[in-house]
Amino acid sequence: DIQMTQSPSSLSASVGDGVSLTCRASQGIDNYLNWYQQKPGEAPKLLIYAASSLQSGVPSRFSGSGSGTDFTLTITSLQPEDFATYYCQQSFSTPLTFGGGTRVEIK
Amino acid sequence: VQLQESGPGLVKPSETLSLTCIVSGASINSHYWSWIRQSPGKGLEWIGHIFYTGSTTYNPSLKSRVTISVDRSKNQFFLRLTYVTTADTAVYYCARGARYTQPGDYWGQGTLVAVSS
Repeated sequence: DIQMTQSPSSLSASVGDGVSLTCRASQGIDNYLNWYQQKPGEAPKLLIYAASSLQSGVPSRFSGSGSGTDFTLTITSLQPEDFATYYCQQSFSTPLTFGGGTRVEIK
Repeated sequence: VQLQESGPGLVKPSETLSLTCIVSGASINSHYWSWIRQSPGKGLEWIGHIFYTGSTTYNPSLKSRVTISVDRSKNQFFLRLTYVTTADTAVYYCARGARYTQPGDYWGQGTLVAVSS
């Protein structure tokens, strides 16, 4: 199985800050990398697919980059609704696997 | 596109967990249709999917106990997990995805299934 490792596991930031979350795959996955946002009691919501493509309806302050094994999710100018847990996930091969998540908290 | 999970919220150990995903706003005759679960101890775990052709792929960690099937006439797909234990207690989600976006660009709200006697 491909292992997905996210860092940091949590971070504190203020409204208006920019943050970068990282994800590393245990082997190369080309650009088969998705980012999800999850809020308590809700299903994960797809933000970014194919490493850098913005899912329809997702604000442009979210962006993704990377290829191979190292990936980044960047949120510019955090909004109150952005405080949540973010997961990366590879769709390169089955079993599909998720990272452990990064929790973005309000400072 | 909307997905809605349904099924018992409580299952006894050693019995079978059965869930239905009701799909509306999209035909089940395209895309991948997945089941994913989330428990505090193991995070998000992909259980498996059924492709619109009927081909299935399962997570090897659960393969011996899992069956995913589809009823095209009702636009629904199903999860069956046998011989459950307390470790199978989780929120179960169904989702629709394409090659890049799998397991899901659309997800159900999730249903909590507890395994307990």
